[in-house]
Amino acid sequence: DVKVTQSSRYLVKRTGEKVFLECVQDMDHENMFWYRQDPGLGLRLIYFSYDVKMKEKGDIPEGYSVSREKKERFSLILESASTNQTSMYLCASGGLRDEQFFGPGTRLTVL
Amino acid sequence: EDKVVQSPLSLVVHEGDTVTLNCSYEVTNFRSLLWYKQEKKAPTFLFMLTSSGIEKKSGRLSSILDKKELFSILNITATQTGDSAIYLCAVEGIQGAQKLVFGQGTRLTINP
Repeated sequence: DVKVTQSSRYLVKRTGEKVFLECVQDMDHENMFWYRQDPGLGLRLIYFSYDVKMKEKGDIPEGYSVSREKKERFSLILESASTNQTSMYLCASGGLRDEQFFGPGTRLTVL
Repeated sequence: EDKVVQSPLSLVVHEGDTVTLNCSYEVTNFRSLLWYKQEKKAPTFLFMLTSSGIEKKSGRLSSILDKKELFSILNITATQTGDSAIYLCAVEGIQGAQKLVFGQGTRLTINP
């Protein structure tokens, strides 16, 4: 069974804090993705990675950075959290010809 | 810019009804279209469509793609309350690394 896990289900942070969201997959997938999901906007791609230490900007990378030091782990970093980054964050992974498999999501609230 | 539009955005029906969800897209160099179901947490994969006119089926759910008219439909027959969810449509262009563009989703509610 494919498993994508995220470090927290719920997170509450204050404006200006540095926030780390961790994602781990156990399927040896090359590709990993970070999305945010907001009502009425669907899923929007923040960053993705197709290999260790490789990263590409998605559609809304501003205010975020990522790290992929190991194949199974992909981290999303909010350097200085702001209230407009309150959202559901979803991590996904996929092989070269597979569909993407999603983690359970982290609901982040920035106060 | 690649774009996916789903309709309706919200739908409420009674158990036993049949529903049709729509997804239209504009994408450079289309590779595939995917449907996901999202209940309380992680979206779960339903179908991947790459060829026009070939229906994919899983139980009461089915989906078909029209690459000429650039749309797909997801049908659910004999709906049950467990079908209540957000249904997401996404398309992948030939840009490498499985980059998907998602629609806004359709929130389906099945009342008993």
